[in-house]
Amino acid sequence: GAVVSQHPSWVICKSGTSVKIECRSLDFQATTMFWYRQFPKQSLMLMATSNEGSKATYEQGVEKDKFLINHASLTLSTLTVTSAHPEDSSFYICSAGARDTLSEQYFGPGTRLTVT
Amino acid sequence: QKEVEQNSGPLSVPEGAIASLNCTYSDRGSQSFFWYRQYSGKSPELIMFIYSNGDKEDGRFTAQLNKASQYVSLLIRDSQPSDSATYLCAVIEGYKLSFGAGTTVTVRA
Repeated sequence: GAVVSQHPSWVICKSGTSVKIECRSLDFQATTMFWYRQFPKQSLMLMATSNEGSKATYEQGVEKDKFLINHASLTLSTLTVTSAHPEDSSFYICSAGARDTLSEQYFGPGTRLTVT
Repeated sequence: QKEVEQNSGPLSVPEGAIASLNCTYSDRGSQSFFWYRQYSGKSPELIMFIYSNGDKEDGRFTAQLNKASQYVSLLIRDSQPSDSATYLCAVIEGYKLSFGAGTTVTVRA
């Protein structure tokens, strides 16, 4: 149980375009989903927290207008990187927590974004 | 001050030996602690979590927590080449996980 999927697993896009990444909890209802970014040789940095049906909470320094997060259902959250630039190239990972196990987060497999 | 500190390594151990990983945290009120393993190019996978002072064992892994000294450690016994990975310590604050930079472990065959 507790499987989280992400799509796509990797994507290459041109500078200035937008990219949408999906995160799905397959076998449980995720009241809260988290979006992380990881640059090479660095740890995971939390970008934002999203709760189903409400606006996402962004960490300090993360541009909410650039990284659009939508958590429309208990099983799906999306991250859209708008007007992507090469410095946005990174490994984006989502995780999901269920209401009764919020302290345990289940990670998706990640999405490798390369902006050319 | 970074909230969660780990030695970045790399830590190289021979196959069959014990790998010892350490992590310190700054928030004395932290209650829940996690160890994740991350292979290169993959997302983290949970190894263990610990809430209470003392030791917690799961197979070849033992987590140790000392809240008074604000450290948590992970021991990997009988290390195998497949244990070669980066190990991330994480502390939960409310509902958010704060990660350390990770310790890279290499097990030599």
